[in-house]
Order: sequence, then structure tokens, then C-alpha cells
Amino acid sequence: NAGVTQTPKFQVLKTGQSMTLQCAQDMNHEYMSWYRQDPGMGLRLIHYSVGAGITDQGEVPNGYNVSRSTTEDFPLRLLSAAPSQTSVYFCASSYSRPGGGADTQYFGPGTRLTVL
Amino acid sequence: KQEVTQIPAALSVPEGENLVLNCSFTDSAIYNLQWFRQDPGKGLTSLLLIQSSQREQTSGRLNASLDKSSGRSTLYIAASQPGDSATYLCARAGSARQLTFGSGTQLTVLP
Repeated sequence: NAGVTQTPKFQVLKTGQSMTLQCAQDMNHEYMSWYRQDPGMGLRLIHYSVGAGITDQGEVPNGYNVSRSTTEDFPLRLLSAAPSQTSVYFCASSYSRPGGGADTQYFGPGTRLTVL
Repeated sequence: KQEVTQIPAALSVPEGENLVLNCSFTDSAIYNLQWFRQDPGKGLTSLLLIQSSQREQTSGRLNASLDKSSGRSTLYIAASQPGDSATYLCARAGSARQLTFGSGTQLTVLP
């Protein structure tokens, strides 16, 4: 298993540009989520998904869109990049054991985004 | 709003010491409580996960406890080593496995 993969690793955008951060997992996990990490703010939830076709907003969803057309992929779209979106973005996935129970979260290596 | 607080923000100890990192959360209706390690410039690695019905979990030199009634969790590291130097994050999980993180404790273990 490759685990959780994120592309690109680094990206520089100009204000107003759009782009998609890719996240994929090959572990058949139903739960996936996106976080951003900023100095002094910790990790904050942007959007999350409990399965294909189902997404919901987290703490800081403004300026971002997501979709979950397959179990494996959960892309994050920046509609019109702003300097405030300069951050490190992490994708995570987890699964539910049969009968319920706690789930280990697997994180990708992150995408470092700079918006000029 | 669910909040997670970690104390202390930074900790420096000599090698070999036992230490405790603290985490508190405001909402007792958690699905689970997780502790992560993050090295500089890297992603997060899961260390321990405590189900809402459990009181503690152990892995090697690490032991994490959970007290839902008081909204507290602790991470105990025994016989600390320089390789333990990292930022430790605790996070509460909701029913959709979405995480709310504390701001972390930056640990330095001095040789």
C-alpha cells in the first residue's frame, strides 16, 4: 500500500489563480479529510467526507471546494487563491472497523502552498 | 465550538526523564482521542488512540490516558530519549472521524 499520497509537494500561486490539491489513498478508507496547518494556529479542519458522494464543511471551509466521486480520491480545490491561504495542507484518511470502534488516522506528507 | 488545549506549549528535559504532556477538551461527546507526533517539516504520525469507552492505551514507552468526565488526556513518556524530540499533538475525533487538534507541545530531550 502506498498509504495516503498528496500532490504536489510544493506550489506557488499568484493571487486569484485556482488550483486543485490532490489526495489519494489505496487502503479503501471511507473517511477522508483536509486540514491546514499554520504557525500559531495548529491544524484546522477544512472539509471532510464519510464516503463517496458525501462531504461536509469543517472549521475553515471558505475559499475551498471538495468532491468525493470515488472512495480513493478527495481533491481540494482553491477557487481564487488569496495570500491568507498560504499554508501547509494535509490530507488524512481512516476506516471503521467492523462493529464500530476507534480508527487510526493516516496522514499524507502535506502540500506546502504559497500564494503571492 | 469544540476546543482542545495542550499544556505546556514547550518542554525541555534531560535524557532519561519521565514526562507528562497534558491535553484538555471542552466536549465530552468524543468518538476517540488521539495523540500524534510531528517532526519538523513532516507529516503526522499516529502514536496512540483511545476509544471513548477506554481509559488508557500503552505502546512501548508511551502511555496515554483519557478521562472524559473531566475532559482531560495525558501522554506519559518514560525514559525519554533525544529521538523523542518532536511536537506532540492531541486531537479529539467526532463521529465522522474529523479531528479537532490542540496546538501541540514542542518537546526537546537534551542528551
